[in-house]
Amino acid sequence: SVLLYQKPNRDICQSGTSLKIQCVADSQVVSMFWYQQFQEQSLMLMATANEGSEATYESGFTKDKFPISRPNLTFSTLTVNNARPGDSSIYFCSSNRQSSYEQYFGPGTRLTVL
Amino acid sequence: GDKVKQSPSALSLQEGTNSALRCNFSIAATTVQWFLQNPRGSLMNLFYLVPGTKENGRLKSAFDSKESYSTLHIRDAQLEDSGTYFCAAEAYQGGRALIFGTGTTVSVSP
Repeated sequence: SVLLYQKPNRDICQSGTSLKIQCVADSQVVSMFWYQQFQEQSLMLMATANEGSEATYESGFTKDKFPISRPNLTFSTLTVNNARPGDSSIYFCSSNRQSSYEQYFGPGTRLTVL
Repeated sequence: GDKVKQSPSALSLQEGTNSALRCNFSIAATTVQWFLQNPRGSLMNLFYLVPGTKENGRLKSAFDSKESYSTLHIRDAQLEDSGTYFCAAEAYQGGRALIFGTGTTVSVSP
C-alpha cells in the first residue's frame, strides 16, 4: 500500500483568505489525486497531479481557484484561493503504487470557511 | 446523472446477519474498487477488482463488466462494519483517477 499524510488535519478560515493543504507520500508515486467531499456526500475528483507538469482539472474545478503543485514524486500541495463557505468540505489526496491500481487515501483535511 | 449509482443508499443490519450492496455503472468500467469510510472519515481500500470475484474474510465482491455492475456481500455483520461503503470506477480508460459511487451507509447494531 501507499501511506499518505496530510497537513493540516483541519482548518477554519475566513472568507476571502487562501489556505494550503499538503500531502506527503511515504514513497515515490507517479500520480497524486485530489478529491473533495461535502458532508454526507460522495467523493468528487478535483484534479490529477503528475510531477513536473501542470495538474489536470476536472469539470467544475479550475487552476485559479484550486492551484496544485507537484514539485517532486512524494509531495503535492492543494491551495484553496479566495475561500468561500461553499468550499467547506473534506479534501483528500490519494495515490497508488506504480505496479498497482489499488488507490489509497490520506486521512483528509476538514476545511470550514466562515 | 450519477455515473456510478449504489443501492441501497442506507442499510441497517443486526450483528450476525448477511447483506449485499450493489453498484451500477453507466460508464464503461473496466475495474472497480470498494472502499469503507469509517465514521471518523478515513477511507480504507477493501477490494480492487477486474471482472470476477474476490473474497477477504467476511467480505466478498464480484464485478461483471459486461452487465456493468458490482456487488459487495457482507457475511456475519459486526459492529465494526458500520460506515459508508463506496464503489469507484476508473475515470478514464487506463487512467487511475476514480469516479466514486453515491455510497451506501451501513449501520450495524447489536
